[in-house]
Amino acid sequence: DTGVSQDPRHKITKRGQNVTFRCDPISEHNRLYWYRQTLGQGPEFLTYFQNEAQLEKSRLLSDRFSAERPKGSFSTLEIQRTEQGDSAMYLCASSLARTGGEEKLFFGSGTQLSVL
Amino acid sequence: KNQVEQSPQSLIILEGKNCTLQCNYTVSPFSNLRWYKQDTGRGPVSLTIMTFSENTKSNGRYTATLDADTKQSSLHITASQLSDSASYICVVSFSFTGGGNKLTFGTGTQLKVEL
Repeated sequence: DTGVSQDPRHKITKRGQNVTFRCDPISEHNRLYWYRQTLGQGPEFLTYFQNEAQLEKSRLLSDRFSAERPKGSFSTLEIQRTEQGDSAMYLCASSLARTGGEEKLFFGSGTQLSVL
Repeated sequence: KNQVEQSPQSLIILEGKNCTLQCNYTVSPFSNLRWYKQDTGRGPVSLTIMTFSENTKSNGRYTATLDADTKQSSLHITASQLSDSASYICVVSFSFTGGGNKLTFGTGTQLKVEL
């Protein structure tokens, strides 16, 4: 499978615990995005990377959230001291930035987080 | 108030029939308007991408229209199939200064195709 891969698919944790999700983008895609989707809503932008540089962060990304993409390939999203409101599907998307044409994002299947 | 509103919220049609989904947006400025299909428990999959200067874009049985003056878009599905059952999401894209796109998603229209 050469699509965007996310791990784990599901995560159940207790409030106050830290969790980390991983995203492996499509090979050679230089942009990587994180989105969050709650039940019945559309995904909301969290942050994105171009190669290893984190270029934009949403105000939704509180200081308990941190994302990294150390080598410009896979990315991790960590949530510290989880709260029940963090329960959501965390989606990763990747794209190949190029001159001309519209950027097409390819989404993974997401990590479903449940905070008890 | 959501910047991208869709109607209807849900829709049930018989296999083989056509349907049209609506989208109204207030996001401004924007770079392009997209339609995505999302199956339950899966990530969204891109169907069409239109710049503000395009009026229509087709992808197989899917045809999207855009009226940038009235800030309305529609997605028309012809000859529906059972596999079309999914959420269809209208997305307005804004380009960051340094490149990259911020997608603002609507809440989707949940389509169910029945025999």
